[in-house]
Amino acid sequence: AQTVTQSQPEMSVQEAETVTLSCTYDTSESDYYLFWYKQPPSRQMILVIRQEAYKQQNATENRFSVNFQKAAKSFSLKISDSQLGDAAMYFCAYRRGRTERDDKIIFGKGTRLHILP
Amino acid sequence: EPEVTQTPSHQVTQMGQEVILRCVPISNHLYFYWYRQILGQKVEFLVSFYNNEISEKSEIFDDQFSVERPDGSNFTLKIRSTKLEDSAMYFCASSDGDTEDHNYGYTFGSGTRLTVV
Repeated sequence: AQTVTQSQPEMSVQEAETVTLSCTYDTSESDYYLFWYKQPPSRQMILVIRQEAYKQQNATENRFSVNFQKAAKSFSLKISDSQLGDAAMYFCAYRRGRTERDDKIIFGKGTRLHILP
Repeated sequence: EPEVTQTPSHQVTQMGQEVILRCVPISNHLYFYWYRQILGQKVEFLVSFYNNEISEKSEIFDDQFSVERPDGSNFTLKIRSTKLEDSAMYFCASSDGDTEDHNYGYTFGSGTRLTVV
C-alpha cells in the first residue's frame, strides 16, 4: 500500500526567509502524481503545487518549488520569501498514475508552518 | 473558477441522529469523493463514486455511511446513526478524470464541520 510520511509536525520560519518542508512516500508504482496542499485556518484544502512522476523537471509555482527525487522517493516543498499568509498546515499527498482515472489521494499527516514576523 | 460547494459549513447533531452532508461537484466532473479529517489529524479517504456507484471505499466507510447522487447535481454523504467519533471535517472532492489533461481537475470543497454531541 502507498504511504506518505511527513516527519516534521511543526516548523517555523522568519518572514522573507526560505523554508523547506520534507516528505517521503512509498509506492511500487512507477507512474503517479505528487501534491502539496495548503490548509489555512479556514480548513479549506488548497492545491499549492503538483508533480508528475514521469517528469524529471521539478515543478515551480511562483515562490513555491519542489525537489523531487524519484529514486529516493522524496518530495520536498521549498517556500521562498515566506509571507505571513503562508502560515498554514501543509499536506504532502500522492495519487496513483495516469492509467487510473479515478483514484483516491493519500495524504501525509501534515506540517504546521508558522511564519514569524 | 469552478468550485465544489458544500453545505452546511457547520452542523451540530445529537449522537444517534442521522445527518446528510451535501456537495455540489463541478458540473462536468464525473468522479466524486468524500474525505474526512478528524481535528488535528490527517485527511483520510472515505469513498469514491463514479457512474452512480461506489468505485472504492475505505475501512472507515462502514454500513452506517452511504453516498448518493440523487438528482445529477448533488452528491450526498449520509451517516445513519452518528457517533461521537464521527465528529470531523468532511471534504467533498470531484475530478474530471481526464488523465490527458495535466490539470487533473481534482478539486476540494471547503468542507463541512460535523460536531456530534
